[in-house]
Amino acid sequence: GEDVEQSLFLSVREGDSSVINCTYTDSSSTYLYWYKQEPGAGLQLLTYIFSNMDMKQDQRLTVLLNKKDKHLSLRIADTQTGDSAIYFCAESIWDNTGKLIFGQGTTLQVKP
Amino acid sequence: DTEVTQTPKHLVMGMTNKKSLKCEQHMGHRAMYWYKQKAKKPPELMFVYSYEKLSINESVPSRFSPECPNSSLLNLHLHALQPEDSALYLCASSQGGRETQYFGPGTRLLVL
Repeated sequence: GEDVEQSLFLSVREGDSSVINCTYTDSSSTYLYWYKQEPGAGLQLLTYIFSNMDMKQDQRLTVLLNKKDKHLSLRIADTQTGDSAIYFCAESIWDNTGKLIFGQGTTLQVKP
Repeated sequence: DTEVTQTPKHLVMGMTNKKSLKCEQHMGHRAMYWYKQKAKKPPELMFVYSYEKLSINESVPSRFSPECPNSSLLNLHLHALQPEDSALYLCASSQGGRETQYFGPGTRLLVL
C-alpha cells in the first residue's frame, strides 16, 4: 500500500536554510502536500505540488520533486524561530476518495 | 478565505457524558473530514462527507457519531468515550476528490 516517510527531527540555526525530506510510494499521478503544525494548533497548508512538476517556489519555500526516486523536499530559506514546528508531508491517494497519507512529521527546531 | 472554524477549542468530559464538536466552513467546499490526532503523530482519518453524505467511515467506534446538517456544517457527537479517546480532533474541508484539504484549529478533547 501507499506509504510516506520522513525523518523525525531537524535542527538548524536562525538564518540558515532548512531542508526537510520525504519519500512516497504511490506510482500514479498524485498531489503532494506540505503542512505545518505549530504546538497546540491545527495543520496549516504551506504548499503543494503535482507529481508532473519538478519544482515549485513560493517566497521562502522551495519544493523539489524527484519523480524517479519518489523523493520530495521542502527548503525553507532564511529560517526563523517562527518556523519551529512539525512539518508533515502528505500524499493524496489515487482513488479520488480524498484520503491523505501522511508522513510521521519532521520536528524542525530553530536555534537563535 | 480559506478558514475552517471549530468549536469548542477545548473540551473536558467524563466517560458518561454526551457532547458535540462543531466545524464550519464558508468556502463552498463539498467535502468535509474528521481526523483524530494524538500527540507527536500524524492525523488519522475518521470520516469523510461528500455532498452531505457519509462516504468514508474508517471503522470508527460507534461512540463517535458524525453528522452533516448542511454543506457548511459538520458535527461529531460523542458518547461514552474512553480515556484513550483523548486527542486533538481536526476538521478539514475541500472541493472534494483529490483537491487540497484545509484544516481547522482543532478541538483538544480530554476524557476523564
